[in-house]
Amino acid sequence: DAKTTQPPSMDCAEGRAANLPCNHSTISGNEYVYWYRQIHSQGPQYIIHGLKNNETNEMASLIITEDRKSSTLILPHATLRDTAVYYCIVRQGGSEKLVFGKGTKLTVNP
Amino acid sequence: GAGVSQTPSNKVTEKGKYVELRCDPISGHTALYWYRQSLGQGPEFLIYFQGTGAADDSGLPNDRFFAVRPEGSVSTLKIQRTERGDSAVYLCASSLNGEDTQYFGPGTRLTVL
Repeated sequence: DAKTTQPPSMDCAEGRAANLPCNHSTISGNEYVYWYRQIHSQGPQYIIHGLKNNETNEMASLIITEDRKSSTLILPHATLRDTAVYYCIVRQGGSEKLVFGKGTKLTVNP
Repeated sequence: GAGVSQTPSNKVTEKGKYVELRCDPISGHTALYWYRQSLGQGPEFLIYFQGTGAADDSGLPNDRFFAVRPEGSVSTLKIQRTERGDSAVYLCASSLNGEDTQYFGPGTRLTVL
């Protein structure tokens, strides 16, 4: 079973920041938080991952709370092409498989 | 560079038939994974290869499903005596090693009539 809880859907205006929350209250010390997204009819696309510290790359920023029980994925300037289902996944260090939940369907509106 | 590729992109078959789905991982990636995604659900793990061997096949639903990776690169997922419930998108992913980030292919949409 997925170890994360995400809202089923969110809306965001084009050009604004999209902040996608994820709860993972049972996360263990060696478990990473991964984010993927899936645009309609495509395979999941890796976005970012982190363990304890906040992370940033060219796609997004990942903010992990100090107690590691929740995190937020931030898309700083959402575009229409960011409309997708976003999956937050807790992955045990050394574990091979990803356990997906149902994710958050983000709709970016013009 | 080239990403993960999967063929065919779509496969329509009749109940009871045998199908093969192919995955070409990213060059140099030793780990390869198969997932299955039903409509409205997230992907579900099927099997993981490290090199040529299946390191974890705990997600295969029954013995009609089998996968091989004979040379440690291309993998084939084989489904015998297909059932309508097997209809789904079959996704393949690869990673540099078993603990690294997984990169997914576009998937094969299987429809069993």
